[in-house]
Amino acid sequence: ETGVTQTPRHLVMGMTNKKSLKCEQHLGHNAMYWYKQSAKKPLELMFVYNFKEQTENNSVPSRFSPECPNSSHLFLHLHTLQPEDSALYLCASSQGTSGTYNEQFFGPGTRLTVL
Amino acid sequence: SQQGEEDPQALSIQEGENATMNCSYKTSINNLQWYRQNSGRGLVHLILIRSNEREKHSGRLRVTLDTSKKSSSLLITASRAADTASYFCAPISNFGNEKLTFGTGTRLTIIP
Repeated sequence: ETGVTQTPRHLVMGMTNKKSLKCEQHLGHNAMYWYKQSAKKPLELMFVYNFKEQTENNSVPSRFSPECPNSSHLFLHLHTLQPEDSALYLCASSQGTSGTYNEQFFGPGTRLTVL
Repeated sequence: SQQGEEDPQALSIQEGENATMNCSYKTSINNLQWYRQNSGRGLVHLILIRSNEREKHSGRLRVTLDTSKKSSSLLITASRAADTASYFCAPISNFGNEKLTFGTGTRLTIIP
């Protein structure tokens, strides 16, 4: 247990569906992240939130919409996804975003399949 | 941000042997972190080594850092089947708000 939980663990959705991924951290951290991991590709950073403010959007398509209501919770709202969006979505948190505060703790991930 | 490059891409050893994997990076760092990922799961933070440290231990793990060569190594001693995983390094530069950028990792397989 890393102190970061993600739900659901598995999700299958059609291209017209709307769904949300949830991440919660119990570590008292201030920064939270969404990553995408596709098969045989390096981990890709999607979004960074620091003190609830989005500080990074790594050219992510608008069909992915993040939400960070407080420092402990992070959501990824999904709408009109494509089959190529099927991947493992990982959430992480860290105390801060610089230097040694950037030690990240990851959740177990949500395996998303888009039909 | 900079991406570490792990070497080798894949490594298979017998259980009980030691495993060594390497990481190279390009620009000066504040610290370097090693992570492990079991298949289909999230990453687990293993060790953080600061730029002014040369060696660090955690259980069966030993990490070295050579800033003159811009390289780090991760040694796992007395390997176990449970060590089968992918291992990633993440160099963190001296600039603020540094993003962790991961490479393709080293895929370690421990043969029972």
